[in-house]
Amino acid sequence: GQQVMQIPQYQHVQEGEDFTTYCNSSTTLSNIQWYKQRPGGHPVFLIQLVKSGEVKKQKRLTFQFGEAKKNSSLHITATQTTDVGTYFCAGPRVGVAGGTSYGKLTFGQGTILTVHP
Amino acid sequence: DAGITQSPRHKVTETGTPVTLRCHQTENHRYMYWYRQDPGHGLRLIHYSYGVKDTDKGEVSDGYSVSRSKTEDFLLTLESATSSQTSVYFCAISEMPGTGGYTFGSGTRLTVV
Repeated sequence: GQQVMQIPQYQHVQEGEDFTTYCNSSTTLSNIQWYKQRPGGHPVFLIQLVKSGEVKKQKRLTFQFGEAKKNSSLHITATQTTDVGTYFCAGPRVGVAGGTSYGKLTFGQGTILTVHP
Repeated sequence: DAGITQSPRHKVTETGTPVTLRCHQTENHRYMYWYRQDPGHGLRLIHYSYGVKDTDKGEVSDGYSVSRSKTEDFLLTLESATSSQTSVYFCAISEMPGTGGYTFGSGTRLTVV
């Protein structure tokens, strides 16, 4: 079945260092979404990428969607302690026999980011 | 987020008992989802709904059932709770797939002893 893999599983950085998490899908994706979950909290939607090769920025966060639409990355420049949490990518689940997916998402396992002050 | 609430927030139950978790939304979104979150597994889809009385199974549906009798409420029932169902359960809503992300509830932490 469809798989979405994320690496690394854990990342420890010193405050001010950069951080990158990578997401790879076993199938071509129509779009990819990124979420952040603070410790003890719930996932919060960050962004959706749709186009092949798309790059979007949100302040210190840069999101990329691969040319083949099978991989994506999230890069954080100059991490801060407020960046602590788990970052998930998610792609639409393929519908049965090409049918609609009803918005179902397959999530990667997440990357747990720790930032040391 | 204010438009979606889950209850209860925490629950401890005994093996073999039925348990119902509730998800309530005020956004009038058509699509609703139940996920469970376990260490090392990320978020896995249990069941989903694409309208009132329209539901279907996700990837880990065994031992769970759902009901959606009105737009606002999506109930998840563990028919006979087992220790393997100890988890954090998240409900999510979506207005239109492909046009934006999910809004998640705050989650229910369920412990089966």
